[in-house]
Amino acid sequence: NAGVTQTPKFQVLKTGQSMTLQCAQDMNHNSMYWYRQDPGMGLRLIYYSASEGTTDKGEVPNGYNVSRLNKREFSLRLESAAPSQTSVYFCASSDPFGTAQETQYFGPGTRLLVL
Amino acid sequence: QKEVEQNSGPLSVPEGAIASLNCTYSDRGSQSFFWYRQYSGKSPELIMSIYSNGDKEDGRFTAQLNKASQYVSLLIRDSQPSDSATYLCAVLITGGFKTIFGAGTRLFVKA
Repeated sequence: NAGVTQTPKFQVLKTGQSMTLQCAQDMNHNSMYWYRQDPGMGLRLIYYSASEGTTDKGEVPNGYNVSRLNKREFSLRLESAAPSQTSVYFCASSDPFGTAQETQYFGPGTRLLVL
Repeated sequence: QKEVEQNSGPLSVPEGAIASLNCTYSDRGSQSFFWYRQYSGKSPELIMSIYSNGDKEDGRFTAQLNKASQYVSLLIRDSQPSDSATYLCAVLITGGFKTIFGAGTRLFVKA
């Protein structure tokens, strides 16, 4: 049981390049989330997917797109990377109707540097 | 804009002491509150959740909730050097799936 996995672990991009961050969970959770974490800012929600087939914007969605490919996978795409998107990105999942309601389980994170 | 506020610290306590971490939130309708621990370079992990006013104890950890004052706290008794981490307060916003996190309080436990 791997929990939540993320790829890649680390990435360097040049301004204007695009990339997709991958996330998968094997806990059969309905809800999945993408956060970014910057020094002194805590975790900020970029997008979330309450269930398969739905996605919604969080606090800081500009410059990002998401795809809930199936129940297991939720990807985050940067279409044209900017230095302001340098951050650590965490994917998380939760099962709002399970026994550990609303607890979020986080992946190991992706460290992104945009030059 | 829903907010969760924490003192960024660092909070430094000697080994064996009680560490007290505090958090305030702005959404009066919130019903679910969480404390996550994050070691440097690692991902957050849940240590406590609390839903009702009062205290909730789990081992050395006690979460306290006062909805009237919109205040959540975490007490760590008999603090250990292994407790040194950043502690994130999180609040589930009314009516949705969004959880708002505070910026975190860095705790150092000195041996």
